[in-house]
Amino acid sequence: GAVVSQHPSWVICKSGTSVKIECRSLDFQATTMFWYRQFPKQSLMLMATSNEGSKATYEQGVEKDKFLINHASLTLSTLTVTSAHPEDSSFYICSASFVYEQYFGPGTRLTVT
Amino acid sequence: AQRVTQPEKLLSVFKGAPVELKCNYSYSGSPELFWYVQYSRQRLQLLLRHISRESIKGFTADLNKGETSFHLKKPFAQEEDSAMYYCALRDYNTDKLIFGTGTRLQVFP
Repeated sequence: GAVVSQHPSWVICKSGTSVKIECRSLDFQATTMFWYRQFPKQSLMLMATSNEGSKATYEQGVEKDKFLINHASLTLSTLTVTSAHPEDSSFYICSASFVYEQYFGPGTRLTVT
Repeated sequence: AQRVTQPEKLLSVFKGAPVELKCNYSYSGSPELFWYVQYSRQRLQLLLRHISRESIKGFTADLNKGETSFHLKKPFAQEEDSAMYYCALRDYNTDKLIFGTGTRLQVFP
């Protein structure tokens, strides 16, 4: 149990376009989901905390207008990278909180050309 | 400030050797600490948490509040233990996880 999925697993987009990444909790409801960014061979950097039905809370230094987060239901949170630039290329990981534990998705690799 | 420190980026051992991955933390209050593991091309998964005091895949970790440490240990490393290991601290107020920079464990045959 407690499986988190992400879609897509890999996406390439052109500079200036927007990309949406979905995070779903498959077999449980998650009032809180988290979005992380991971650079190659580096640790996870928390970007924002997503709460169902309310605005996301962004970490310092993360542009909320660039990384739009929507937590529309108890099983779905989305991250939209707007006007993507090559420096946004990264591995984006979500997690969902369930019974005081975070379950992680498999990640989405974004490449901006 | 809340912080998790993993001083070693890479730890290489031979199969059968003991392993200790170091983790130190800084937190005002009672910490809740975790070890996560990420095998090659797989998602991050929980290895163990200090409050459960259990041994998973032969790994154990003891919280030492005096030394503010939560080192991960295994007496006899196996090749399949090769992975990235992250120590993490949970902030009770926000439910956020604060991750260390990770240690890559390489176990040679």
